[in-house]
Amino acid sequence: DIVMTQSPTSMSISVGDRVTMNCKASQNVGSNVDWYQQKTGQSPKLLIYKASNRYTGVPDRFTGSGSGTDFTFTISNMQAEDLAVYYCMQSNSYPPTFGGGTKLELK
Amino acid sequence: EVQLVESGGGLVQPGRSMKLSCAASGFTFNNYDMAWVCQAPKKGLEWVATISYDGSSTYYRDSVKGRFTISRDNAKSTLYLQMDSLRSEDTATYYCARGRSLFAYWGQGTLVTVSS
Repeated sequence: DIVMTQSPTSMSISVGDRVTMNCKASQNVGSNVDWYQQKTGQSPKLLIYKASNRYTGVPDRFTGSGSGTDFTFTISNMQAEDLAVYYCMQSNSYPPTFGGGTKLELK
Repeated sequence: EVQLVESGGGLVQPGRSMKLSCAASGFTFNNYDMAWVCQAPKKGLEWVATISYDGSSTYYRDSVKGRFTISRDNAKSTLYLQMDSLRSEDTATYYCARGRSLFAYWGQGTLVTVSS
C-alpha cells in the first residue's frame, strides 16, 4: 500500500496567518491526491481533488499543489472556522490511503 | 440534496457480528460506487471497503478481508457493511461515502464499540 506522510502533525496558528502543510507519498501518485477537512465532531469534507482543483463551494483561500510524491496544501488567510484536522489521501491506486492528518490549533 | 445516513452501530462483544446500513437519498444511487471509511477514536481515517455501482465488484482493506462484507440494495438505495468476528481494533466510527476513491459526500458516521 502507498504510505502518505503528512507534516507537521500539528500547528499553532493565528487568524490571518498563511498556513502551509505537506504530504509525501511513498511512491509516485501522479496528481491523484485529495485534501479533506474534518472539524471536531463532524464528518470529513472534500476541499481539493487531483492535487490542485478546488471542490464546489470551497473558498479560494484554500489551495493545493504538487505532483509525483510531494504535495502542499495552503490556507492563505486563516479564519477561525478553518480550525480542523486536514488529511491528504492518494486516489492513484487501490487501496486509497490517508495521511495521518495535520491539526490546526489556535496560538 | 445528497444525504447519507448510517445506522446500526453500538456496543458489541468481541467475536460477535454487527451490520451497518447507510440510507442514501438525493442522487441516483445505482450510478455510484460506494465506500466505507472508518476512524478509530482520536485517530485518522482509514478506507475499509468499496463496492461498485452494480454490486459486481468489491474491494477490502487487508485487515477486514474475510470478516467484513460490503453489499448494496439499489432498489432501496441502501449500502451495508456486515461485520463478523469483530475485534477490539475494529472499534471506530464508520462513515459511508459516495464514490470509488473521491469522497465528495459522507454520512455523519455510526460508532461501533467492540468490547466485553
